[in-house]
Amino acid sequence: QVQLQESGPGLVKPSETLSLTCTVSGYSISSGYYWGWIRQPPGRGLEWIGNIYADGSTRYNPSLTSRVTISVDTSKNQFSLRLNSVTAADTGLYYCARGFAYSGSYSDYWGQGTLVTVSS
Amino acid sequence: DIQMTQSPSSMAASVGDRVTITCRASQGLSSGLAWYQQKPGKAPKLLIYAASTLQSGVPSRFSGSGSGTDFSLTINSLQPEDFATYYCQQAYNFPLTFGAGTKVEIK
Repeated sequence: QVQLQESGPGLVKPSETLSLTCTVSGYSISSGYYWGWIRQPPGRGLEWIGNIYADGSTRYNPSLTSRVTISVDTSKNQFSLRLNSVTAADTGLYYCARGFAYSGSYSDYWGQGTLVTVSS
Repeated sequence: DIQMTQSPSSMAASVGDRVTITCRASQGLSSGLAWYQQKPGKAPKLLIYAASTLQSGVPSRFSGSGSGTDFSLTINSLQPEDFATYYCQQAYNFPLTFGAGTKVEIK
C-alpha cells in the first residue's frame, strides 16, 4: 500500500522559506514514477507546483519557477519542497503526490496534505 | 497555460440520479485529461485518466469521455458517498492545470 505523508512547519513568516518533506512508504522512490507537489489555497482550487523525475530532472510551474526547488533523498525515501520569499498568497494546503505518465501526467497517490500559513 | 473551464460550478442532485460534469480546454489535449474527486478535509482521489480510463478500484458507475477540447465525467446512479467536489486536470502540457471544480450537493 503506497502512502505519502507531508511534514514541515505550519507557520512561515513572510519573505522566509517554506520547506516541506514528503515521506513515502510502501514503494521505493527510486523505482520509477515521478513525484510532485500540488497546493490548494483555502477554499479554492488546485495548483500544480512541480515534479521531480527518476533521473533527477525537474519541472516547475512557470509562475513559481524562480522561487521553487524540489529535491529527492532516496536514502530516506523522501522528497522535498522549498519555496523561497513566501507571501500570504502562498498560504494553503500543500499535497505531495506520486505521478505517472500515460497519455499525459497524472497523480495516483496523494498525501493527506499539510496546511501552511504565511503570517508574521 | 491551458485554461480549463468546468461546468456547472455546483449542482444539486438526488441519490440514484445520473450526473454529468463537463470540462472544456482552451486548446486541444488529445486524450490527456483526468478527473479527481475531493471530499472535505481529504486529498483529491484520481477517478479517471487518459480521458476515459477508470483508475483501479474506482466504481464502474464513474465514466469519462471526450477528446480534444471537450470532456465529460458521468456518474450513473449517484450514491451518498459521491457527494463531493470534482476537478478536471489537463495532463497534456506543462504547466499542468486544473478546472475550478464542480461541487455536487444533495438535493
